[in-house]
Amino acid sequence: ETGVTQSPTHLIKTRGQQVTLRCSSQSGHNTVSWYQQALGQGPQFIFQYYREEENGRGNFPPRFSGLQFPNYSSELNVNALELDDSALYLCASSSPSSLYNEQFFGPGTRLTVL
Amino acid sequence: RKEVEQDPGPFNVPEGATVAFNCTYSNSASQSFFWYRQDCRKEPKLLMSVYSSGNEDGRFTAQLNRASQYISLLIRDSKLSDSATYLCVVRVGTASKLTFGTGTRLQVTL
Repeated sequence: ETGVTQSPTHLIKTRGQQVTLRCSSQSGHNTVSWYQQALGQGPQFIFQYYREEENGRGNFPPRFSGLQFPNYSSELNVNALELDDSALYLCASSSPSSLYNEQFFGPGTRLTVL
Repeated sequence: RKEVEQDPGPFNVPEGATVAFNCTYSNSASQSFFWYRQDCRKEPKLLMSVYSSGNEDGRFTAQLNRASQYISLLIRDSKLSDSATYLCVVRVGTASKLTFGTGTRLQVTL
């Protein structure tokens, strides 16, 4: 196991609601990245946090926002949920000091928007 | 054109067979390459980082061809437990994001 944890595992929301997903990184990793994976697709990069600052963002609207805390855990917030936000949300932790800066994924949160 | 392209499969092979997956990437500034494995409804798990000179890990061999911008994964002596989706992943330069292909599904049968 990677040591990356996410909560909750499943979530059902309705359109227009807001959701917060949580991630704890692997011990020794100071960087957390968030991805959205729709059914049948590869994960799509949402953003990355390094030392509590956003460090890169993918093609997602501002209603997707995040935080990183001093212990390197992270939250992903999504406002004004839309049906298309239904997906598996993955967080990955990494350490830029590793040779290839590999990212290790948590088990994900499966979000269903009705 | 997609940034990372893979044949979606499925590849159906008998146990013991050798199977190869190819992946092409469009950005010549890509610097890091990986293969991840993803089981149904689970998270991606890092299978191998792909080194410039190619690398092997047991039954798995990864190759990189920068001139042609493709990456390959060879699985020898396939096991039933190898059945999964294999994701080709690249990073452009030192960028924060990983770019994933849509994955190639492998089904190993008796």
